[in-house]
Amino acid sequence: EQQVQQSPASLVLQEAENAELQCSFSIFTNQVQWFYQRPGGRLVSLLYNPSGTKQSGRLTSTTVIKERRSSLHISSSQITDSGTYLCAKYSAGNKLTFGIGTRVLVRP
Amino acid sequence: EAAVTQSPRNKVTVTGGNVTLSCRQTNSHNYMYWYRQDTGHGLRLIHYSYGAGNLQIGDVPDGYKATRTTQEDFFLLLELASPSQTSLYFCASSDGQGKVFFGKGTRLTVV
Repeated sequence: EQQVQQSPASLVLQEAENAELQCSFSIFTNQVQWFYQRPGGRLVSLLYNPSGTKQSGRLTSTTVIKERRSSLHISSSQITDSGTYLCAKYSAGNKLTFGIGTRVLVRP
Repeated sequence: EAAVTQSPRNKVTVTGGNVTLSCRQTNSHNYMYWYRQDTGHGLRLIHYSYGAGNLQIGDVPDGYKATRTTQEDFFLLLELASPSQTSLYFCASSDGQGKVFFGKGTRLTVV
């Protein structure tokens, strides 16, 4: 069972458009984190967001724990934002489980 | 500077062979993880650890052993490699409070 579901699976944006990525959890979690990965590259943490809203530059994450969901908003997208965005949840013992990701392509 | 170093970066082995993937972190983190990444499956957790001598089973542990020898070093062992274990393997370290760093990955091919 995929414990972390992400949508959409892929997304194409025109440069400067905004985007909203969604993440939901089949099992309760109280810690959520968003990561970014270029094709074949290492993962980089974007935002650690246990609850509420967190912002880092053009990225804003909103997590509603009781509804078992989190979202990542990308504003004013840039070509360099292209890549895969992964949502992850923590469970007991700091086990970190990932979704399959949303592939984002930003076109000029 | 926070760092997670994986070695080797690429490895080719034959079916039935032994492979050891190494991971070292210099972040003083308690938690370390081994993942495999495959198209259509995303990142799947193999094993993880919260300190030297500790090992926790992940979601896809079959065919893999792991050992955490020190705070810094976490090894993944494939004792009878199979073609189904051809994958991109990532190691990560975490402080348990949102600081997570990944290595660059090891591409393993089992022929």
